[in-house]
Amino acid sequence: ETGVTQTPRHLVMGMTNKKSLKCEQHLGHNAMYWYKQSAKKPLELMFVYSLEERVENNSVPSRFSPECPNSSHLFLHLHTLQPEDSALYLCASSQDMSVTYYGYTFGSGTRLTVV
Amino acid sequence: EDQVTQSPEALRLQEGESSSLNCSYTVSGLRGLFWYRQDPGKGPEFLFTLYSAGEEKEKERLKATLTKKESFLHITAPKPEDSATYLCAVQALETSYDKVIFGPGTSLSVIP
Repeated sequence: ETGVTQTPRHLVMGMTNKKSLKCEQHLGHNAMYWYKQSAKKPLELMFVYSLEERVENNSVPSRFSPECPNSSHLFLHLHTLQPEDSALYLCASSQDMSVTYYGYTFGSGTRLTVV
Repeated sequence: EDQVTQSPEALRLQEGESSSLNCSYTVSGLRGLFWYRQDPGKGPEFLFTLYSAGEEKEKERLKATLTKKESFLHITAPKPEDSATYLCAVQALETSYDKVIFGPGTSLSVIP
């Protein structure tokens, strides 16, 4: 399978649950990202990983915890979320930190609903 | 503060009716300006990168242009399959890592 794959596609969770989002890329890219997309708002950068090292944590609450075990996999662990965390969570990858030339390759996202 | 705005928020066109989408940006130094297309239920798909004022790029019915303060995405004789949300984004020169700022998008509907 090629491209960026995200699972699950849809997730409903209670505020006390713990769940994880998974992202996998088979493009040989060295940088991976988590973005949050809420209705009527621009994409918000959450986390950046380059060669499995976290480069940026963009003031994200600690109830979101990323993990990058290798350059092909990225996880977002969720716990004690709030209803306002309901959004589309997008994973992206790029060849390296020079995203300008080829842009990001995005997955299809996980639609998260917190009840 | 680096900022990206897009107009209009939504646009309805008849098939074949050409138009333009606008992206205005404020950034101290521009490394690149990007256009993406996003279909419902999918992630954004990369279209173009523009680097400097005066640059133009084309892909099928789409043509992107760049000035020092804004970019336009011209759609010539659009077809229903061009219906999507078009996102503009910028990367500033002074960022030490790969931070890209997105605009809110323009939702385009092309009616047969």
